[in-house]
Amino acid sequence: NAGVTQTPKFQVLKTGQSMTLQCAQDMNHEYMSWYRQDPGMGLRLIHYSVGAGITDQGEVPNGYNVSRSTTEDFPLRLLSAAPSQTSVYFCASSYGGGTQETQYFGPGTRLLVL
Amino acid sequence: AQTVTQSQPEMSVQEAETVTLSCTYDTSESDYYLFWYKQPPSRQMILVIRQEAYKQQNATENRFSVNFQKAAKSFSLKISDSQLGDAAMYFCAYRSGSGTYKYIFGTGTRLKVLA
Repeated sequence: NAGVTQTPKFQVLKTGQSMTLQCAQDMNHEYMSWYRQDPGMGLRLIHYSVGAGITDQGEVPNGYNVSRSTTEDFPLRLLSAAPSQTSVYFCASSYGGGTQETQYFGPGTRLLVL
Repeated sequence: AQTVTQSQPEMSVQEAETVTLSCTYDTSESDYYLFWYKQPPSRQMILVIRQEAYKQQNATENRFSVNFQKAAKSFSLKISDSQLGDAAMYFCAYRSGSGTYKYIFGTGTRLKVLA
């Protein structure tokens, strides 16, 4: 049971380049989310999904796209990277609510946009 | 819109002593969940403790306990018998119980544990 995995761990991009941050979970969780973490800002929700084929925007969705074709995978796409997207990105998943709701986080991807 | 505020950017505690981290939130909802997460230098986010708003009893997990004051919209974390391994960033988080899946995090408190 690997939990939530993210690739790559670190990436350097040039302004205007595109890339996909990968996220996968093997816990059969319905809910998955992407966050970015910036110094002094805490974690901010980018996009989330409540199941395969269903996604919605979070607090800071601009510049990012997501899709959820399977329960296991939830990739985050940057279509045209900007320096403002330099951040640490976390993917998280949970089984879907209730009183025992627990989000499991991946190890994070550190992204530097030059 | 809901907000979560952590007013202490940094706290220090002596090993074996007790420390309390503050968190306040703003919401018009009656059904919600509150969480404390720990982020050590490894960056891995770890759930410390969870509180359901409908429960009056404060949650406890070993050396970690909360003081949940619903009317005051306050949710503080008390760490007893602090250990060096408790040194980390601590984030308070809110999630609506009404069906949306949006978590709102505070800006975090960095806890230093002094030997």
